[in-house]
Amino acid sequence: EVQLVESGGGLVQTGGSLRLSCAASGFTFSSYAMSWVRQAPGKGLEWVSVISDSASITYHADSVKGRFTISRDNSKNTLYLQLNSLRDDDTAVYYCAKGRYRSPSGGFDYWGQGTLVTVSS
Amino acid sequence: SYVLIQPPSVSVAPGTTARITCGGNNIGSKSVHWYQQKPGQAPVLVIYYDHDRPSGIPERFSGSNSGNTATLTITRVEAGDEADYYCQVWDSASDHYVFGFGTRVTVL
Repeated sequence: EVQLVESGGGLVQTGGSLRLSCAASGFTFSSYAMSWVRQAPGKGLEWVSVISDSASITYHADSVKGRFTISRDNSKNTLYLQLNSLRDDDTAVYYCAKGRYRSPSGGFDYWGQGTLVTVSS
Repeated sequence: SYVLIQPPSVSVAPGTTARITCGGNNIGSKSVHWYQQKPGQAPVLVIYYDHDRPSGIPERFSGSNSGNTATLTITRVEAGDEADYYCQVWDSASDHYVFGFGTRVTVL
């Protein structure tokens, strides 16, 4: 059974940093692209970042480019998102999502339950 | 940047058909994926590559994509289909995923 478990969310001050983790199990983690998607309270889904299976390719949404960094450790079956220079509008539930293929396209067939990041001054 | 337009809401009676549209410039040339999200839950993939259903998704869910509009169709709507639905594409021009704004389906 595929499982994605996010952790690392919490309350952080404006301008602060946080690192989110997503522990994966139930599939060959190193064979699939992975993404982060966020959802602000009462709002729709917003794609944040994607990383290819081998981590050779990463892309970030314009709203987070230069502030957030996606990475992965295939030996630990874990996906990460480093969040720096946090702003109030980064407040959201952050979901980890499994891609359907090695490369960054093809949609997401499994999602974690999300971790809440609250940014406040 | 590429934009996907969805109607904010669709209301349907039980047993009837719900059609949710997703508009985008020449979206027919892209592959569209659809997600269902119920309150307090993570999204679930219901249609991928325009019209394919993941295992476990009822045959009542179907998709199509042509021209400037993709459509998710839910036949014989049930109370349990009440949720927010999002379309998604990969925009190769920007190397970004794009989500539609979402459509809330209400079963009357």
